[in-house]
Parts: sequence; structure tokens; C-alpha cells
Amino acid sequence: VQLVESGGGLVKPGESLTLSCAASGFVFYDYYMNWIRQAPGKGLEWISYISSDLRTTYYADSVKGRFSISRDNSRASLFLRINSLTVDDTAVYYCARGGVTSPFDFWGQGALVTVSS
Amino acid sequence: QAVVTQEPSVTVSPGGTVTLTCGSSTGPVTSNHYPYWFQQKPGQAPRTLIYDTNKRQSWTPARFSGSLLGGKAALTLSGAQPEDEAEYHCLVSYGSSRMFGGGTRLTVL
Repeated sequence: VQLVESGGGLVKPGESLTLSCAASGFVFYDYYMNWIRQAPGKGLEWISYISSDLRTTYYADSVKGRFSISRDNSRASLFLRINSLTVDDTAVYYCARGGVTSPFDFWGQGALVTVSS
Repeated sequence: QAVVTQEPSVTVSPGGTVTLTCGSSTGPVTSNHYPYWFQQKPGQAPRTLIYDTNKRQSWTPARFSGSLLGGKAALTLSGAQPEDEAEYHCLVSYGSSRMFGGGTRLTVL
């Protein structure tokens, strides 16, 4: 099982960004997938999950309205669109498998997003 | 919004036993909160140790065990090793929502 995040980098406040998570080594469309972030020197914050069939998504209250999770099962890929970025969105963003119908088990190595003018 | 609380830091002697706890502002943590424990070492991604209160992942050493203790989720480490020095995060489920605790920095000294 491998999860590889990409799309991070330095962005300005107010801009938008899409993170990707490429999955391999398992049947992607069988699993719920999640995004979790960690601000520098802080704890983990669960952001969102999406069901295997794309029908169900759920977001933490702190990100509702600005974050959008999606997936492409044909490409075994997970996405996170972040709009109107603020400095408080600066964090390492992780994708992780499971957590609903199966346990959280595998995590990616994370993608760093830095929001600064 | 619920708040999940963990001890900020704990120290254990090599070979010793230590218990980390995870509480909820909404009341006792129960098996219906499906508590998780994750281990994170500096510069690394978290690794799942325990799920559904007390189930180990295939890679979780047997010296780690999960339980419910006094209304909290608990992670007990029996026979601490130097490589167990890390940050430990708990996760609690509230229906469809998930909430992490602030993490516990475990020092083996």
C-alpha cells in the first residue's frame, strides 16, 4: 500500500490550491479516504472523508465551505481543493485510508502547504 | 464542538510501564467512540497503533495495548523501549465527525 501526496507549496493568502493523493497497492475504490492536517508544531486535525462510491462526504466544522474533497476511482486518486487560503491553513496535509467502514491504517508522507504573502 | 484531551507530556523509564489517556469534553469515552491511537516520530507521518479501543494493527508491537479506563480511552505501554519515544495522538469519533486530541509527547528516559 502506498499513498503519495502532491500539490503542496508556497501560496499567497486568498489563493486556491488542489492537493492530490495517488494510491497504489490496493483496490482504491473499496475504501473510504480521508484528509488530515498538522500545523507546524501542533497536533493532528481531521479535515474530511469521502466514501468509496463518492456519495458521502463529511467535513470538520472548521473547514466547511472552503474545502472540497473528491476522488477519481479510475485514477486511484484523492483530491482536496482549498479555497481562500489563510495563514492558518499552513500545515502538512496527509491522506489516510479507511476510518469508516474499515479502520484507519495507512497514511501518506504528507504535503506541506505554506500560506504567506 | 467536542474537545479531546491528552496529557501534554509523560516520561517513562526504559523497561517501565506507562498509561496515556484520552478524554472527551462531552462525557465518558466509550467503545461507541471507536478510539484510535497513533504514534508519530519527528519528521514522520503518523502510524496507526490501536483502533476500536483495543485492536492492534498487524505492525503494532504487543507491548502496546488499548483499553477504556475511568471514562477515558487509554494506551498502555508495558516495557518501554527507547524507540517508543514519540508523540502519541488519540482520535475519537462523534458520529460522522472525528476529533484528535492534542497529542502526548512520550519521553523514554
